Amino acid sequence: EVQLLESGGGLVQPGGSLRLSCTASGFALRSYSMSWVRQAPGKGLEWVSAMSESGESKYYADSVKGRFTISRDISRNTLHLQMDSLRAEDTAVYFCAKAVSWARPYFDYWGQGTLVTVSS
Amino acid sequence: DIQMTQSPSSLSASVGDRVTITCRASQGIINYLAWFQQKPGKAPKFLIYGASSLQSGVPSKFSGSGSGTDFTLTISSLQPEDFATYYCEQYFSYPVTFGQGTRLEIK
Repeated sequence: EVQLLESGGGLVQPGGSLRLSCTASGFALRSYSMSWVRQAPGKGLEWVSAMSESGESKYYADSVKGRFTISRDISRNTLHLQMDSLRAEDTAVYFCAKAVSWARPYFDYWGQGTLVTVSS
Repeated sequence: DIQMTQSPSSLSASVGDRVTITCRASQGIINYLAWFQQKPGKAPKFLIYGASSLQSGVPSKFSGSGSGTDFTLTISSLQPEDFATYYCEQYFSYPVTFGQGTRLEIK
């Protein structure tokens, strides 16, 4: 059974950093493209970042480019999102999502999400 | 970036009704469109891909259609568990983008 479990969310001050993790089970991360998608309170879904199956290709939304970094630890089957220079507008629930493929990035499995609050 | 516009933003319907939600892309995306259902406090649930292909395990009351720029999601015989927010997603090109959502409420 495919499961995704996010962790690492919390309260952080503007300008601070946070590292999110998404531990996958039931499949191998190295075989699938993965994404992070966020949802601000009361708002819709916003794609944030994606990594290809090989790990060589990475894309970012313009809103986070240069501040967020997607990575993975194959040995732990875990996806990460390093978030630096955080802003109030980054406040959201962050979901990791498994894509069917890099070329067809629709998401068949989602984690339960982890809340990131950026506030002083 | 490809903009996705859903209509209506909210919709009231009764149990047993049939409803249709529309999603329009700012440029042609062939049929690279997915639909998701989300309930409050929960992760989105994947329903449809390729504009009209039902994900395994999703009831046949859900159906999708369309190609190019105009797409629809139809839900027949509404049941209490169908009242939720629905999102479309284009995966024709990065950045993937979502519609703003359609909130389906009980009348």
